[in-house]
Amino acid sequence: QKEVEQDPGPLSVPEGAIVSLNCTYSNSAFQYFMWYRQYSRKGPELLMYTYSSGNKEDGRFTAQVDKSSKYISLFIRDSQPSDSATYLCIIGGYQKVTFGTGTKLQVIP
Amino acid sequence: NAGVTQTPKFQVLKTGQSMTLQCAQDMNHNSMYWYRQDPGMGLRLIYYSASEGTTDKGEVPNGYNVSRLNKREFSLRLESAAPSQTSVYFCASSEAGLAGLSGANVLTFGAGSRLTVL
Repeated sequence: QKEVEQDPGPLSVPEGAIVSLNCTYSNSAFQYFMWYRQYSRKGPELLMYTYSSGNKEDGRFTAQVDKSSKYISLFIRDSQPSDSATYLCIIGGYQKVTFGTGTKLQVIP
Repeated sequence: NAGVTQTPKFQVLKTGQSMTLQCAQDMNHNSMYWYRQDPGMGLRLIYYSASEGTTDKGEVPNGYNVSRLNKREFSLRLESAAPSQTSVYFCASSEAGLAGLSGANVLTFGAGSRLTVL
């Protein structure tokens, strides 16, 4: 079993839709959770960082962590074509980070 | 502020050739990392340097060597390239190591180096 599971997609939604991206993890020792966005042929860039259960909001983006279920989500409201990218969850703790394989999102105008 | 700079962006090698990927960061970060990204595999850690003067193996170190030249620079060398090393390589840095909840372990990535080994 992989330490982090992420649906690879691709996920295709119309502009303005609410997008939900998810990861599950197996190790309860993981302490912090990050979401990165990666445009084609670019490096990943940080979107959200959190280490507590609950929600963290930044503009159109909300990161949700449920440590009891070992489940994290990234919600994108009012999705835009510029949100078309691959979204990576990165989960870390105890000198280690583990990456999801990424979900490819396409927002259609 | 350039962040993390990788060179070259693209490289084609023949099996058995050697090459070095260069990485430099200008954020005064202590820790630096080399990852490879392959379809369906996610990012996998090759080597990392927690601080200047130290290097450690990651998940997939075989066939690679690294040098932490100074605080800014961390290079990755392929001594005898193999087709299995065809990949996109990312250098990353963080203010501190991967432990803790201070946010100092947030990774900043370079733009990537696309390597093809024929």
